[in-house]
Amino acid sequence: NAGVTQTPKFRILKIGQSMTLQCTQDMNHNYMYWYRQDPGMGLKLIYYSVGAGITDKGEVPNGYNVSRSTTEDFPLRLELAAPSQTSVYFCASNGLAGAADTQYFGPGTRLTVL
Amino acid sequence: AQSVAQPEDQVNVAEGNPLTVKCTYSVSGNPYLFWYVQYPNRGLQFLLKYITGDNLVKGSYGFEAEFNKSQTSFHLKKPSALVSDSALYFCAVRGGSYIPTFGRGTSLIVHP
Repeated sequence: NAGVTQTPKFRILKIGQSMTLQCTQDMNHNYMYWYRQDPGMGLKLIYYSVGAGITDKGEVPNGYNVSRSTTEDFPLRLELAAPSQTSVYFCASNGLAGAADTQYFGPGTRLTVL
Repeated sequence: AQSVAQPEDQVNVAEGNPLTVKCTYSVSGNPYLFWYVQYPNRGLQFLLKYITGDNLVKGSYGFEAEFNKSQTSFHLKKPSALVSDSALYFCAVRGGSYIPTFGRGTSLIVHP
């Protein structure tokens, strides 16, 4: 199993550009999450999904959009990139044990907006 | 609402000495508690979790954590630190919700 994979690993965007961060898991997990990590700030939840076709906002959703058309994929879309979106983005997933289940994280995407 | 506090931004310890990384939490109902480790330029990796039962939980790489309900704490420990343990450690809590809350992380530095 590859687990959770993310592409790209690195990206530099100009202000106002758009991009999609890809996330795929091969563990047949229903729950998927997008986090951003800023130095000294821990992880902030952007969006999450409890299954295909169902998504919901997390703590910091502004400036982002998501979709979940399949169980495996959970892409994160930035429509108009801003310097405040410079961060490291992590995708995570877990299975049906809910609150007791361990999250599995991808390797991250480091995004810089200039 | 649920919350997690990791009161130390950084912990320094000499190789071979015991280490403790502190975590306290607040949650309604029974807590589900997790420790994750992040090595440089990597994603978070699961270390251990407390769901129910024995208050002392053993995990990967020789780490363990003690659940203390009265002090609402879940401190991470290891009897003998290795230089390779140097990393960023995150504590996380879930209450009844499947959405976890993470602490801000503690940087562990183990000196040779």
